[in-house]
Amino acid sequence: GAGVSQSPSNKVTEKGKDVELRCDPISGHTALYWYRQSLGQGLEFLIYFQGNSAPDKSGLPSDRFSAERTGGSVSTLTIQRTQQEDSAVYLCASSSGDRVVGQPQHFGDGTRLSIL
Amino acid sequence: DAKTTQPNSMESNEEEPVHLPCNHSTISGTDYIHWYRQLPSQGPEYVIHGLTSNVNNRMASLAIAEDRKSSTLILHRATLRDAAVYYCILIDRFDSNYQLIWGAGTKLIIKP
Repeated sequence: GAGVSQSPSNKVTEKGKDVELRCDPISGHTALYWYRQSLGQGLEFLIYFQGNSAPDKSGLPSDRFSAERTGGSVSTLTIQRTQQEDSAVYLCASSSGDRVVGQPQHFGDGTRLSIL
Repeated sequence: DAKTTQPNSMESNEEEPVHLPCNHSTISGTDYIHWYRQLPSQGPEYVIHGLTSNVNNRMASLAIAEDRKSSTLILHRATLRDAAVYYCILIDRFDSNYQLIWGAGTKLIIKP
């Protein structure tokens, strides 16, 4: 079956430009997460969506970062006025169930963002 | 949140068992122990999880110490495809906003 799909797989842009990263979760999964991963590091939580509840935005590093999830499915992470420190791999994950701990998260292969 | 400690890297020979340790001395009674792995240029992949009892699935086994302050992921017969970074993560079962808090993991090198 189809897994989590992210696009683009690679994005190179100039400092100061805005970028949009897309995530298509597994069909039927109500929970969706965004993380970012710098080279050689573990994952850093950014934002969490669960159904129609208000998202948990506690991991967003600045107000230049925002995300939305339309119709409980596709999600878009937007970074405005990109900075070089935003360069990283941005990963999306989805899982089934509502706060059911133990449900594994299924990850996409990420978008590698490079800011020149 | 409780944290985990893992060795930076480990080496093993192909077709031999691999034991990947994880220390979590500050684990709470409501924390699940999860393991994920990440192959090069891919997103993380769920491996296994447990609470108190040892667990087995098609990928691996999880051995949890009686005091729960440590656990070991066991790959019974390593293959070259098992070369990856393995992450041990704690999740509070009662944390309604739970998120995965990741350390740097253990880089597993498999020698042919």
